[in-house]
Amino acid sequence: QKEVEQNSGPLSVPEGAIASLNCTYSDRGSQSFFWYRQYSGKSPELIMFIYSNGDKEDGRFTAQLNKASQYVSLLIRDSQPSDSATYLCAVRGSTLTFGKGTMLLVSP
Amino acid sequence: KAGVTQTPRYLIKTRGQQVTLSCSPISGHRSVSWYQQTPGQGLQFLFEYFSETQRNKGNFPGRFSGRQFSNSRSEMNVSTLELGDSALYLCASSLRDSAQETQYFGPGTRLLVL
Repeated sequence: QKEVEQNSGPLSVPEGAIASLNCTYSDRGSQSFFWYRQYSGKSPELIMFIYSNGDKEDGRFTAQLNKASQYVSLLIRDSQPSDSATYLCAVRGSTLTFGKGTMLLVSP
Repeated sequence: KAGVTQTPRYLIKTRGQQVTLSCSPISGHRSVSWYQQTPGQGLQFLFEYFSETQRNKGNFPGRFSGRQFSNSRSEMNVSTLELGDSALYLCASSLRDSAQETQYFGPGTRLLVL
């Protein structure tokens, strides 16, 4: 059973702080890794994807991948109240498997 | 470019009935995947289609079925509905069915089974 694990949260951070979201996965054959953001009552929207070990930055977001440790993370710098949402980690092997998500709360 | 569209957006059915949900992918996308999202189980993979062929299937009973048409539009069907089938059903499309293709989600169909 391929699994993707995330802390359900909520993760509470003050506005302007760095939010760190973590994810581990069980399938060593996984090839690509995605972070989606889902607001309450809405569908998931892509934040970032990463394929290779290391860091990938896009604006305030940085994805980090460590395949040896089967670990992927998302850092959100200068967190804003509008970042408050559930963040879903998704891992692609033969299919795309999602974690259950971490709820992030950014307080003004 | 228009996004993924799903119809209907909301649906109320009773136990034992069947339901058909529709998904139109982003123009040019040939791969369509379906997911079920519930508060307890999160997003769970149902099936994936590419060029009218089912490429992968998740761990759901045979009551759940799907198909894809030549224009890449897809439908999923759930027969003999159970209360536990109440969920948000999400469709996602991508250009191809390869591992590095990003999937883009539609707004979902919220199904309530009474």
